[in-house]
Amino acid sequence: GQQLNQSPQSMFIQEGEDVSMNCTSSSIFNTWLWYKQDPGEGPVLLIALYKAGELTSNGRLTAQFGITRKDSFLNISASIPSDVGIYFCAGQLGNAGNMLTFGGGTRLMVKP
Amino acid sequence: NAGVTQTPKFRVLKTGQSMTLLCAQDMNHEYMYWYRQDPGMGLRLIHYSVGEGTTAKGEVPDGYNVSRLKKQNFLLGLESAAPSQTSVYFCASGYGQPQHFGDGTRLSIL
Repeated sequence: GQQLNQSPQSMFIQEGEDVSMNCTSSSIFNTWLWYKQDPGEGPVLLIALYKAGELTSNGRLTAQFGITRKDSFLNISASIPSDVGIYFCAGQLGNAGNMLTFGGGTRLMVKP
Repeated sequence: NAGVTQTPKFRVLKTGQSMTLLCAQDMNHEYMYWYRQDPGMGLRLIHYSVGEGTTAKGEVPDGYNVSRLKKQNFLLGLESAAPSQTSVYFCASGYGQPQHFGDGTRLSIL
């Protein structure tokens, strides 16, 4: 089946630094989604991307839908301690309701 | 703060027992989903529903059944629990993609 490779698996950064993480797939997707999960909670949708080449921001977060439709990137600017968590990418191939494929997650740790 | 509510939050079962996990959403979403999350892995879709009275298999449906008798509720059943079903189960709802997740049900099967 489809697989998403998310990297890096973990990051330990200093508060104030910028963060980049990415997701690559062996197959093309029509939709890319980025989620954040805090310990003991469910994932929270951060950004949804629906068009190849699309660049979308949500506060300090910016995500891009790769033009090949096989990758996506998430950047966090000026990290703060509450950015700590696990970030998941997810790709959807077909129409609404079709399965999402999730990446394995990037664990972000921020040192104050 | 409503949204997606899962019950129970924790449960320990013995192999062979059955149980039902309940998911309720108050956002009038058509789509609802059940995922499982295992250590070191992303979420995997068990079953999903695109509307009241409809269900469909996801990536890992074996050993589970679901029902969507009311639009706001999506039930996940384990007919005969197995240790391999020890996991954290998340329900989600949305308008085409899972936009809101519950806080999970931590299930251990001994």
